Amino acid sequence: EAQVTQNPRYLITVTGKKLTVTCSQNMNHEYMSWYRQDPGLGLRQIYYSMNVEVTDKGDVPEGYKVSRKEKRNFPLILESPSPNQTSLYFCASSFSRGSLYYGYTFGSGTRLTVV
Amino acid sequence: EDQVTQSPEALRLQEGESSSLNCSYTVSGLRGLFWYRQDPGKGPEFLFTLYSAGEEKEKERLKATLTKKESFLHITAPKPEDSATYLCAVQGDYKLSFGAGTTVTVRA
Repeated sequence: EAQVTQNPRYLITVTGKKLTVTCSQNMNHEYMSWYRQDPGLGLRQIYYSMNVEVTDKGDVPEGYKVSRKEKRNFPLILESPSPNQTSLYFCASSFSRGSLYYGYTFGSGTRLTVV
Repeated sequence: EDQVTQSPEALRLQEGESSSLNCSYTVSGLRGLFWYRQDPGKGPEFLFTLYSAGEEKEKERLKATLTKKESFLHITAPKPEDSATYLCAVQGDYKLSFGAGTTVTVRA
């Protein structure tokens, strides 16, 4: 089954304790992206990747890191989490053909609480 | 800067009462306009992609249309299971931008 898999689904952590949220896709997509979703603010892009070793900042990159060493994986790293990073996080992947882009496939989400 | 505005914010419908959701956008070089459905606590589920003005796509009770400045999602004879938040997103030259969504509630 074609899918984007995120882990963990739920995570409660303490301020300052480094954490990684994993994301993997099995569709050989070149584009991958991380979003956070907060009430009243909608989906905001954190980082995106156009292909292996190619990443760029989205709208809200502060406090996050990413890497894309393999095409299928795109982990999100919080080096020193703070309470304002409490949110629902989504990983997504997509592809393009020529100048046309295709819809992102989203993971099931990771609900992160930082206390 | 790319912008996506959805209206209304919320829509309450009686079962069978057809209606339309609006997505207006400004983007530098449209490379795709997407509609998603999102249920609470879940990831957005892809519905449609539209690429050029005049294009239409249909799926069950949903129909999406596109003009040069806006897109509409028409819901025909909705059922309670159509209750969800519907998100519009546009892919420009450099990024994908989402609207805030329209939350649709369909009462039996």
